[in-house]
Amino acid sequence: QQPVQSPQAVILREGEDAVINCSSSKALYSVHWYRQKHGEAPVFLMILLKGGEQKGHEKISASFNEKKQQSSLYLTASQLSYSGTYFCGTGFSNDYKLSFGAGTTVTVRA
Amino acid sequence: KAGVTQTPRYLIKTRGQQVTLSCSPISGHRSVSWYQQTPGQGLQFLFEYFSETQRNKGNFPGRFSGRQFSNSRSEMNVSTLELGDSALYLCASSWTGSDEKLFFGSGTQLSVL
Repeated sequence: QQPVQSPQAVILREGEDAVINCSSSKALYSVHWYRQKHGEAPVFLMILLKGGEQKGHEKISASFNEKKQQSSLYLTASQLSYSGTYFCGTGFSNDYKLSFGAGTTVTVRA
Repeated sequence: KAGVTQTPRYLIKTRGQQVTLSCSPISGHRSVSWYQQTPGQGLQFLFEYFSETQRNKGNFPGRFSGRQFSNSRSEMNVSTLELGDSALYLCASSWTGSDEKLFFGSGTQLSVL
């Protein structure tokens, strides 16, 4: 089942912070985060596994709350290069597939 | 190291025709998965192959099929095209296909008229 992402879109000024949430109705084993810029392929940001720690990528970090079946992506001190659509993908053990959310479009303005 | 290569980049077809899309994974990657991307719908999983075996399939009609060759290259075929099949088709490769980073190709943009 497709996870639910919120918000659908967010507009930021450089240096501001944002949080993107990803919720699943099923118990999660893993959560993946990808960013896609217009006309380009999605690019891997990070993966969080059940029982794992919060992961980071530069000033982008994420958490995984197993009890709530939810993951959050934190954009800290946003830069213009952070603009794009962020997708969370949820995985289940030995499922060999990811179910992606509809995406959150992030626009960072100078 | 070459990335994931998808061909062709653009396709225009008419209803009722069939189409074959190709994906060459990163060298050494044995898992190839396919996704359909449409505006507002995110990425919808089509199927995943590993060592020429389909291990999982998404909720798409039987008109959508795929295969993988011994060199890990993969093709997907859509028969009897419908207007709703217009989308960006992305393939992604990884080493094992299990809870690891996916490398996406740039996709094939299919337009059905």
